[in-house]
Amino acid sequence: EPEVTQTPSHQVTQMGQEVILRCVPISNHLYFYWYRQILGQKVEFLVSFYNNEISEKSEIFDDQFSVERPDGSNFTLKIRSTKLEDSAMYFCASGDDGSSGANVLTFGAGSRLTVL
Amino acid sequence: AQKVTQAQTEISVVEKEDVTLDCVYETRDTTYYLFWYKQPPSGELVFLIRRNSFDEQNEISGRYSWNFQKSTSSFNFTITASQVVDSAVYFCALSEGDVSGTASKLTFGTGTRLQVTL
Repeated sequence: EPEVTQTPSHQVTQMGQEVILRCVPISNHLYFYWYRQILGQKVEFLVSFYNNEISEKSEIFDDQFSVERPDGSNFTLKIRSTKLEDSAMYFCASGDDGSSGANVLTFGAGSRLTVL
Repeated sequence: AQKVTQAQTEISVVEKEDVTLDCVYETRDTTYYLFWYKQPPSGELVFLIRRNSFDEQNEISGRYSWNFQKSTSSFNFTITASQVVDSAVYFCALSEGDVSGTASKLTFGTGTRLQVTL
């Protein structure tokens, strides 16, 4: 079963530090996403990425956030200067071409970010 | 704007009971897709089902069944003969999309925590 792989599984950082969360999507998928889940809350959309550019982003995804697909396999989320409220589980997801309908997203196991 | 409401925050049942998780959605699109995801204690999100707005047939997969009713904007999920391994948070989600299936973001509900005990 193909899977989405995320690293690290848990990262602790100091406020103001930069963090990069990494994801390896399913190899033949075309759409890539980041979602986040603050502890005990719902899963929220951050950004979608297609054809090497951002296709949609939420109001959460401000200038502190950026995404990149540097080498055709990895998909990264960078937070430039972390804040306490960035503490959350960050999920990467990838989706196929949607030829059979809205693409089903396969989620990674998540990266838990703790900002102190 | 799209919205998903899961009014039940937490449900506790005893093993072998049937349980229904409610999901009500709002959207202005005529083409949309509904999903259920399971989040076990380990934290990952596991896809369970996708439904498009043109297919109101109910679906059964083993002990799981889904009841989609456009008239009430609901997409409820029933687990028959629940088991301890069903304990998890279950999320209903909505995606607005066109007929080409172009990717659209998922809007999740707040989730229902299901606790199944012996």
